[in-house]
Amino acid sequence: GAGVSQSPSNKVTEKGKDVELRCDPISGHTALYWYRQSLGQGLEFLIYFQGNSAPDKSGLPSDRFSAERTGGSVSTLTIQRTQQEDSAVYLCASSSGQVGEAFFGQGTRLTVV
Amino acid sequence: GENVEQHPSTLSVQEGDSAVIKCTYSDSASNYFPWYKQELGKGPQLIIDIRSNVGEKKDQRIAVTLNKTAKHFSLHITETQPEDSAVYFCAASMKGYQKVTFGTGTKLQVIP
Repeated sequence: GAGVSQSPSNKVTEKGKDVELRCDPISGHTALYWYRQSLGQGLEFLIYFQGNSAPDKSGLPSDRFSAERTGGSVSTLTIQRTQQEDSAVYLCASSSGQVGEAFFGQGTRLTVV
Repeated sequence: GENVEQHPSTLSVQEGDSAVIKCTYSDSASNYFPWYKQELGKGPQLIIDIRSNVGEKKDQRIAVTLNKTAKHFSLHITETQPEDSAVYFCAASMKGYQKVTFGTGTKLQVIP
């Protein structure tokens, strides 16, 4: 596609359930980022993938959070045993890596009830 | 790693006035500084960027300035309009395959 695509756009889940959020980056982009944005807040960095390098996981808030990127393209962010404080918009972005410009998806709004 | 600070966190201006948002960065190796605008319910979108080899860049009502010595960069919006109301993020990154580090955002409200 022409842009970064995220699915689902909205997700409501019960506390304690696992969720998977998907990101389809722009074709050819080697860098992929996940951010979390709580209501009215800034962009909280979660994880960064660049090509075949080991991902930068320094932003993951707990071991309940994990992400993978298969084949250097699609990425999945998994949150296990969801808690109410996980409720937020999860944004994915990709970039070619060479100039740093990042293109964002529309985000997935996660609500844990 | 890089640390980007952004001020103010909220800014209200009258329509037609100018708005200025300021950022500082910590890593002198950073050489690319984009600005993003996030409208309600949408992901951030790039509006302008500047590289370290220039001190200023303009695009219609928007301008960015960069002071490498002080590690400051700023976004200037002139003749503000209601549609400029949004959250603005500054960011910094290094040339090559390095992650982009974002500021904490500024919520700009333009009052008609």
